[in-house]
Amino acid sequence: QQQVKQSPQSLIVQKGGISIINCAYENTAFDYFPWYQQFPGKGPALLIAIRPDVSEKKEGRFTISFNKSAKQFSLHIMDSQPGDSATYFCAAPPNTDKLIFGTGTRLQVFP
Amino acid sequence: DTGVSQDPRHKITKRGQNVTFRCDPISEHNRLYWYRQTLGQGPEFLTYFQNEAQLEKSRLLSDRFSAERPKGSFSTLEIQRTEQGDSAMYLCASSRSGGYNEQFFGPGTRLTVL
Repeated sequence: QQQVKQSPQSLIVQKGGISIINCAYENTAFDYFPWYQQFPGKGPALLIAIRPDVSEKKEGRFTISFNKSAKQFSLHIMDSQPGDSATYFCAAPPNTDKLIFGTGTRLQVFP
Repeated sequence: DTGVSQDPRHKITKRGQNVTFRCDPISEHNRLYWYRQTLGQGPEFLTYFQNEAQLEKSRLLSDRFSAERPKGSFSTLEIQRTEQGDSAMYLCASSRSGGYNEQFFGPGTRLTVL
């Protein structure tokens, strides 16, 4: 019940395309869903986050879609750019004290 | 640069040796977290501090691991009698307390146990 399942494991997208990464969770008590971006040699950095009282949140080219009944949330990257090439992690907190991360999606955007 | 620093960035050690890592959080953050990340996986929670108090430890934190945050500022993570399975990236993060606050991660310390 504490897991966060993420797919796909890797994703190759052409520049200008849409990248979509999906996550599913089991624990209905989760109520904060952040996405982190990690470049090689760096720690993860918060990209965008959503609370379950809304179904969508958009920040620039990045959008989180949230489906509470299905216990799923996804990250959409519009107009993907080579600079977006990184590993993306969804996460959820069982409480306010820690995060449980998905297994990550390695995104490669080709020009 | 998030403002969280870790030292060293890389550590190679032989099995059975002890190692210690340091984390300096963002100064106004009273929460400090340690995570471990292995290749191809997401970070896994190890432990966290609120000020100098260690409030939670994961079952991943065996008795060979100890973490301290003596004055509520920097923290150290020590691994005694290292094993090859300890090879991983050790990430430190800090945040404000109270609700869901963004955790800012440091660059990590990559440990290789030979």
